[in-house]
Amino acid sequence: EPEVTQTPSHQVTQMGQEVILRCVPISNHLYFYWYRQILGQKVEFLVSFYNNEISEKSEIFDDQFSVERPDGSNFTLKIRSTKLEDSAMYFCASTAQQLATNEKLFFGSGTQLSVL
Amino acid sequence: EDQVTQSPEALRLQEGESSSLNCSYTVSGLRGLFWYRQDPGKGPEFLFTLYSAGEEKEKERLKATLTKKESFLHITAPKPEDSATYLCAVQGGSEKLVFGKGTKLTVNP
Repeated sequence: EPEVTQTPSHQVTQMGQEVILRCVPISNHLYFYWYRQILGQKVEFLVSFYNNEISEKSEIFDDQFSVERPDGSNFTLKIRSTKLEDSAMYFCASTAQQLATNEKLFFGSGTQLSVL
Repeated sequence: EDQVTQSPEALRLQEGESSSLNCSYTVSGLRGLFWYRQDPGKGPEFLFTLYSAGEEKEKERLKATLTKKESFLHITAPKPEDSATYLCAVQGGSEKLVFGKGTKLTVNP
């Protein structure tokens, strides 16, 4: 079965540094998402992206966060100035069509971000 | 605000001992209820989507059912490889999924 690929699997950074998390969604998919999971807590929605623009974002997704689809295959999440509380597992996800049209939302294996 | 509560938080079963996991939800206009399996250090793996009360879906030893207030994931004759955290999520009137904290299932041989 096709997979969503995320790199790196682990990222360690110093507080205040910029990080870019990378994702390669499934090739024919059009809708892209970032979620995160702080250790021991729920998986939380960050942002959805379609047609080269953000379609929805959560309160967590403030001005420090941005997303981009720089080419036809990659989807990135940038955190401009990392904080300790940004430490979490970040998941990329994608679907071919809008959810609630009998679509599966496929998740990648995640990037574990540790901010020191 | 959409909310999902899963119970129990953890469940230990012997191999072959069937049981059910519960997902209670409140949502404005349910567009879909999702079940995922998550192994340690991995991303959620899609299992089922249910759309309306009364709907049921099956996959191997798993069967998911849906009512207007809750969903159940029934596990029949589980095996050790079914050990994982099972996540429930709902989609209401937006693009996002709202997840519960999950039920950690351990199946002992």
